[in-house]
Amino acid sequence: QKEVEQDPGPLSVPEGAIVSLNCTYSNSAFQYFMWYRQYSRKGPELLMYTYSSGNKEDGRFTAQVDKSSKYISLFIRDSQPSDSATYLCAMNRYNFNKFYFGSGTKLNVKP
Amino acid sequence: DTGVSQDPRHKITKRGQNVTFRCDPISEHNRLYWYRQTLGQGPEFLTYFQNEAQLEKSRLLSDRFSAERPKGSFSTLEIQRTEQGDSAMYLCASSTGTSGPSYNEQFFGPGTRLTVL
Repeated sequence: QKEVEQDPGPLSVPEGAIVSLNCTYSNSAFQYFMWYRQYSRKGPELLMYTYSSGNKEDGRFTAQVDKSSKYISLFIRDSQPSDSATYLCAMNRYNFNKFYFGSGTKLNVKP
Repeated sequence: DTGVSQDPRHKITKRGQNVTFRCDPISEHNRLYWYRQTLGQGPEFLTYFQNEAQLEKSRLLSDRFSAERPKGSFSTLEIQRTEQGDSAMYLCASSTGTSGPSYNEQFFGPGTRLTVL
């Protein structure tokens, strides 16, 4: 079983829709949770970072962590065609140097 | 541009040849990571440096792979006797700090795409 599971998609939505992206994980020791956006043939770009449980909002993006369910989410409001990319979740343990990534969900926002 | 840079961006080589990639992290970042990413997968951790010390290596890093970070600045990743299974995007990332947000916020370079024929 992989440490981090993520639905690969693709997820296709119309412009302006609310998008929900999710990851599940198996290691209850994970405390730091990140979301990255990766455009085709580019390196990942950090979008959101959260520590432990709770919500964090940044503009159109909201990250949610539910440690009891080992489930994290990224919500994108008012989605734009420029949001079309692969979204990767990542996580790690306190004071550990190895980061675990999901396989990524490909999002397509249609104009 | 003060982001993470990687060179070359693309490398095509024949099976059995050696290749070397370079990563220049953000100048004040003391932590440097190498990852490998294959099509449809997320980045897989290969190795980690804190300054010039290589502190962690994945079991994915076979004895054909070696990484260095002399003087704690740029880093090189060498693959000897390349195999077709080594074809992937090799990503470098850097971060700073000792714990908390800055520790966990990695900044990635554009990657080096390796094709082994």
